[in-house]
Parts: sequence; structure tokens; C-alpha cells
Amino acid sequence: GAGVSQSPSNKVTEKGKDVELRCDPISGHTALYWYRQSLGQGLEFLIYFQGNSAPDKSGLPSDRFSAERTGGSVSTLTIQRTQQEDSAVYLCASSFGQLNTEAFFGQGTRLTVV
Amino acid sequence: EDKVVQSPLSLVVHEGDTVTLNCSYEVTNFRSLLWYKQEKKAPTFLFMLTSSGIEKKSGRLSSILDKKELFSILNITATQTGDSAVYLCAVRGSGGSNYKLTFGKGTLLTVNP
Repeated sequence: GAGVSQSPSNKVTEKGKDVELRCDPISGHTALYWYRQSLGQGLEFLIYFQGNSAPDKSGLPSDRFSAERTGGSVSTLTIQRTQQEDSAVYLCASSFGQLNTEAFFGQGTRLTVV
Repeated sequence: EDKVVQSPLSLVVHEGDTVTLNCSYEVTNFRSLLWYKQEKKAPTFLFMLTSSGIEKKSGRLSSILDKKELFSILNITATQTGDSAVYLCAVRGSGGSNYKLTFGKGTLLTVNP
């Protein structure tokens, strides 16, 4: 696609429910990143994919968070048993797999847990 | 652990002023430094710098990297209200996680008419 696409744009969920956030990267980009940005805060790294594998999951805040990527393309970030502190904007970015390439972000999903 | 520090955290100027935003970093095996502009949700890519002393320029924005002193600056000349945004700096190293971008907390720039 022309750019990184994320869905939904906004999600309001009740505490305790599970949510799935989707990221469709730029066609041909093998690297995919998930970040989280809480209100007024910087970007917090969650997980990085190279192809379908995730060599770095170090940023996932708890075992309620998981992510997968299939076909080297679309990725899904799942948050189980959501808590209010999970409320944030979840941003996805993609790039070519080489080290010195630009990474481009999607519009993000604003998650609100009530 | 990779670290990026941006300064100032916030800045208020008048239209027409020139601003300089700073980014210092510590990273294992530096590979590149990237600047982004964030107005609402999505950070928009501005520049990627890999070599010292080579200025990247796009219109009124320019940026340069000093790999010896481990910092970069982003200059905006003749600022406009549309430049109001959070400017983010990120670095990529080739340590434990080759591709991970580590971000600073950003500089909030407000340009008043």
C-alpha cells in the first residue's frame, strides 16, 4: 500500500476485555515496529518484527500483550484483559530491513479503556 | 541500553524566528539518527542522518550530525505557525536489537503568530 495503515483509528473498550490492533505495513517493508505513546509521553518501544519473526520483544510491558505477523505483512497486537493503564496511542512503523533506512509510521490507534 | 535526550522539552517562539532543537544520544554501534515531526498522532519522517558533518536540508528545515560529540541539531528558519508540533529524535544502533529505534521524549515547539 501507499503508506502504513492501522485499524481501528479509535477503540474504546471496557476494562477486562481483549482488543486486537492491526497494522498493514508498506508493501515490501520487511521490518515492522510497534510503539506505544501515553498522553504527553515519548514513544515507548514494544516489539520489532523482521519478516514473521520477532527478534526483540523486550518492550512488551506484560504477558497480557502479544503480537504476531503473518506472511511477512500484516501484524496484530493483542492486549488481553485490558487495564486502564493500557490507554494510549499505539503506533506501528515499517521499513526495509536494512539498517540505514527510513521508518514510516501509521496514523495510530487510540485505545481508551474505561 | 540506548538513550536519547532532547532539549529543550518545550519552546515558544514568534513567527519568523529561527529555532534550534537538540538531540544527544548514547547508542551501541551507531547506525543512523532520524528526526520526525508529530502534529497529531502519526510522526512524519523528516531526515535520516548517518554521517557526520553532512547537512540535510528540506526547505526551511535542516539538520546535521556530530558523531564524535554524539549529538544532532534540527534548525528551522523563518518559523511559521504550521511548524508547531512535537519534534522527535530517534537513533538506531546495531547492538542487541539491530533495528530498534530508540526515541527521545521530544521537543514541543509552539510558534505564535
